[in-house]
Amino acid sequence: GDSVTQMEGPVTLSEEAFLTINCTYTATGYPSLFWYVQYPGEGLQLLLKATKADDKGSNKGFEATYRKETTSFHLEKGSVQVSDSAVYFCALKGGGSYIPTFGRGTSLIVHP
Amino acid sequence: EAQVTQNPRYLITVTGKKLTVTCSQNMNHEYMSWYRQDPGLGLRQIYYSMNVEVTDKGDVPEGYKVSRKEKRNFPLILESPSPNQTSLYFCASTEKGQYTGELFFGEGSRLTVL
Repeated sequence: GDSVTQMEGPVTLSEEAFLTINCTYTATGYPSLFWYVQYPGEGLQLLLKATKADDKGSNKGFEATYRKETTSFHLEKGSVQVSDSAVYFCALKGGGSYIPTFGRGTSLIVHP
Repeated sequence: EAQVTQNPRYLITVTGKKLTVTCSQNMNHEYMSWYRQDPGLGLRQIYYSMNVEVTDKGDVPEGYKVSRKEKRNFPLILESPSPNQTSLYFCASTEKGQYTGELFFGEGSRLTVL
């Protein structure tokens, strides 16, 4: 079945550092890929998505590129802020399915 | 404003005392789902519903019930709560015809069972 593997956290960075959170997946066919973010005390919200190979999703300075050859969708940001401290979830949705598969989440802590 | 609303946001209860967590969405979404979030385990799906009167088990349905009598509401029922159901619960919804897959989440309900 479909699965998503994320790097374990927490990831601890200083403000303005470069961020990478790794995500790899296993799926049949051509899934859509997502990053969700969960800020403290809130529900998850969609951060960015990509629906086909080589697509790049971007939002709020975050980017991720759908790499079919490496089955990856790594999240990157060039300069993190304290306000980026949150839990980040990678997810995929197979074609024709309404049920996404989530990774376990990666906690990011950014210090001033 | 488009939203998914859960109540209560926080609840402390005792073993065996039936409780219901309500979920309501105002986006006319066909698909609704319940998840629980536990440290180290990520999100696990409890139940989901494709439409009114259609519900299915997710990965961890034991100890839970749901109903979908109206399109907008999808309550989660714990008939006899136990301490291992202490968790953070999220309701989510999406439009069935929307293949982009974005889920809209409520703000969560933190449940403690003593």
